[in-house]
Amino acid sequence: AQSVTQPDIHITVSEGASLELRCNYSYGATPYLFWYVQSPGQGLQLLLKYFSGDTLVQGIKGFEAEFKRSQSSFNLRKPSVHWSDAAEYFCAVMEYGNKLVFGAGTILRVKS
Amino acid sequence: DTGVSQDPRHKITKRGQNVTFRCDPISEHNRLYWYRQTLGQGPEFLTYFQNEAQLEKSRLLSDRFSAERPKGSFSTLEIQRTEQGDSAMYLCASSFPDPYEQYFGPGTRLTVT
Repeated sequence: AQSVTQPDIHITVSEGASLELRCNYSYGATPYLFWYVQSPGQGLQLLLKYFSGDTLVQGIKGFEAEFKRSQSSFNLRKPSVHWSDAAEYFCAVMEYGNKLVFGAGTILRVKS
Repeated sequence: DTGVSQDPRHKITKRGQNVTFRCDPISEHNRLYWYRQTLGQGPEFLTYFQNEAQLEKSRLLSDRFSAERPKGSFSTLEIQRTEQGDSAMYLCASSFPDPYEQYFGPGTRLTVT
């Protein structure tokens, strides 16, 4: 079965600093990969997705992610974090039948 | 476009009681998904509808769980004889026409005491 690993449960960064959230996946074929963000009391919001083509994908809110097949990774990055980015971030892979398989999430804290 | 809505947002129930949650997808979205999220975990797939047809159910969906989507519009998720292990956030998502972009609702948080 497909799986997604997010090695970091919590990450704290200073406002204005760069951010990288790690994601590793296990999937036999070419994966469809996603990053979602969840703020308290809010639903999951799609940040970006990768299906094929350019391995560096741009998303909303200034986020980007890079697909590296050799490392089975799809890390999320942002060059300069804002206090409003504090939330929980989920990496996901889509299985056959359009089911999303999520990682356990990484909680991002932003310190001023 | 009002987004995916879920009702209620919070539900507290006693063990053994039945509960029902409702999800209203984005208008004209023909695919609807239910996920369950427990504390400290990512959402886990429960079931999926295309129009009114329930196409797949996870093994997580025991016999006490049933989902419907009459007329292919809103959906309900019922849990019978609730157990403390059912305490979780129940998320609904919908998609159309791009099946790969799922829009999530705010969720229903269930607490079983």
